[in-house]
Amino acid sequence: EDKVVQSPLSLVVHEGDTVTLNCSYEVTNFRSLLWYKQEKKAPTFLFMLTSSGIEKKSGRLSSILDKKELFSILNITATQTGDSAIYLCAYHYGGSQGNLIFGKGTKLSVKP
Amino acid sequence: DAGVIQSPRHEVTEMGQEVTLRCKPISGHDYLFWYRQTMMRGLELLIYFNNNVPIDDSGMPEDRFSAKMPNASFSTLKIQPSEPRDSAVYFCASSPQTGSGANVLTFGAGSRLTVL
Repeated sequence: EDKVVQSPLSLVVHEGDTVTLNCSYEVTNFRSLLWYKQEKKAPTFLFMLTSSGIEKKSGRLSSILDKKELFSILNITATQTGDSAIYLCAYHYGGSQGNLIFGKGTKLSVKP
Repeated sequence: DAGVIQSPRHEVTEMGQEVTLRCKPISGHDYLFWYRQTMMRGLELLIYFNNNVPIDDSGMPEDRFSAKMPNASFSTLKIQPSEPRDSAVYFCASSPQTGSGANVLTFGAGSRLTVL
C-alpha cells in the first residue's frame, strides 16, 4: 500500500491557468513533507514543510501542509510552459534522514 | 560545488553482464542515497550511507545488487548479473547531516540503465 499518494497522476493545462497538486501521506512519526520538481533529469528541491497552516512561497509556486488531515497541496499560478514537469511529493518520517518515501508524482503539461 | 556527479549517464548492456554505477556526492555531505526510478514504481530507495557506513539496505532488491562507499567522496552501486527488469534510472543523492539543508536531498543527474 502506497504511503504517499499524489493526485492527479497527470494534468494538462494552458499557459496562464492555475493548478493545484495534491499529496496525502500516512502518519508514522512524521517529520516533514518535501516537494520536488523533476524535468528531464534530476529532481530539484522546491519546498520543505513541517508545520501546519504555514504557507511556503517561491514566486508563482506555493505550498501548504495540513497535519490534521494528512495532506499537502502545491499551487502554481499563471502557469508557463517551463512549469511542465513531474512534481514529486516525499514524506519524511522517523529518526533517520534516510526515511524518505516518495509518491509516484504528478505529471504536469502546460500547453502554449 | 559541481553538485552530485554520477557516471555513466547511459549504460546499455546485455543480460548477465556486470554493471557498475558511480557517484560522487557533494563535498561535506554526510548522507548518500541510491534510488531507482521506474514508471511503474516511481522513486524507490535502495540503500543509504551515513559517514560512509551503510545504514539501511532493505530496499536492495536482491543479492545481485551491492553498494559500497569506500570514502566520503565516492560510492558505487553494482549489479551482477544484470537482468532486463533492472532497466531503470538510478539516482544518487546526498544531504548534510546538520544545518538548513539537513533532510533535503540533492540529486545527481541519474544513470539510465538498459539491460537487453
